[in-house]
Parts: sequence; C-alpha cells; structure tokens
Amino acid sequence: AQRVTQPEKLLSVFKGAPVELKCNYSYSGSPELFWYVQYSRQRLQLLLRHISRESIKGFTADLNKGETSFHLKKPFAQEEDSAMYYCALRSGSEKLVFGKGTKLTVNP
Amino acid sequence: NAGVTQTPKFQVLKTGQSMTLQCAQDMNHEYMSWYRQDPGMGLRLIHYSVGAGITDQGEVPNGYNVSRSTTEDFPLRLLSAAPSQTSVYFCASRLDSSTEAFFGQGTRLTVV
Repeated sequence: AQRVTQPEKLLSVFKGAPVELKCNYSYSGSPELFWYVQYSRQRLQLLLRHISRESIKGFTADLNKGETSFHLKKPFAQEEDSAMYYCALRSGSEKLVFGKGTKLTVNP
Repeated sequence: NAGVTQTPKFQVLKTGQSMTLQCAQDMNHEYMSWYRQDPGMGLRLIHYSVGAGITDQGEVPNGYNVSRSTTEDFPLRLLSAAPSQTSVYFCASRLDSSTEAFFGQGTRLTVV
C-alpha cells in the first residue's frame, strides 16, 4: 500500500540556518512526489514536484529511489518559511496521498 | 478565475444534524477530492471523483456521501453529524492525474 511518512511533526530552526524536512514513501510503482505548503490561515499550495526539478523559494527536493525519500531542503531558512509542509505521493492515476505534515518554525 | 471555492467557511452542527459542504471549481478540472485535516493526522482522503458521474472512496469515507453531477461541483454530505467529524475540510481539484492539485480555503466544522 502507498504511504508517505514525515517523521518530524515539529521542526524549529534559526533564521539563516539550513533546514531539511524529511519525507519517506512506500509505493510499488513509479512514484510522483510533491511538496505542498500551508502558510498560517491560508490554503495549501504546491511548492514543488520532483518531475520539474525546479527550485521554488530556495527550496529543493531530490527523489532518491534507493532510500525511497524526497527530503525538502533549503540552505538558509527565512522567517517567512514558517509554515506547515506536506509531502504527497501520487498513487496510481487518481489518488494524492499526503503525509501527516511537518510544522516548520523559523526563529529570528 | 475564482479557483476552488468552498462554502461555508465555518459551521457548527449539533450531533445528528445533516449538512452539505459545497465545493465548486471554475477551471474545468476533471479530478476533485475531499480531505479532512486533523492535528497530527495530516490530510486524509475522504472521497474523490475523476469526472462527472464518477466517485470513489478514499481513506476515511464512513459518515460521508458525495456526488458529482457536474464537472464544476463536488458537494460533501454529512447525513448525521458526529463529534468525530469535527475537523477542517479541504476540497481540491486537478486538471488530470498528472497536474498539481488546487485547494479551497477550507471549511472548519465543529460538531457539538
């Protein structure tokens, strides 16, 4: 069965420090992975997807099929990065399965 | 474009009451889904639809019904509300299986 695991519920870093939000998945097929972000009192929005291999707001994520991971990284965290981050897996053709989320707090 | 619109934004129900959460999108998306968001549980899929007239169950469908009579609308019905259904509900739509999901603003439901 498909599953997305985000092991950290909470992550706190200082401004300017590197940040890594972990995501591991289990899926027997060829995965398509996403990171969504939810800023305070706002709707979820797509941050990035592994297919596009782009960097959004300084964030990057690399799909590691050997480790079944899709960790989200940013070299220098900013206070405005404080938000809830969800890793998601497209399962088959219809379902989008989410992890439980990691709340990132960037302290000044 | 309005995107994905959910109504109401807030609702308080008594146990046993019924109600419908509305979701509409104006992007001509085929795929629509309902999720509930609970602390420590992330987003869990309730029901989804891959097109008008087609619906299927997600991870936590019990207590909820859906229908998809038009491409634009995907209402979620609670037939007899229970306190366990207190949650924030999000509707999402996608053009097709390979594109990003767009989310509504959410409906915060409290069942007392």
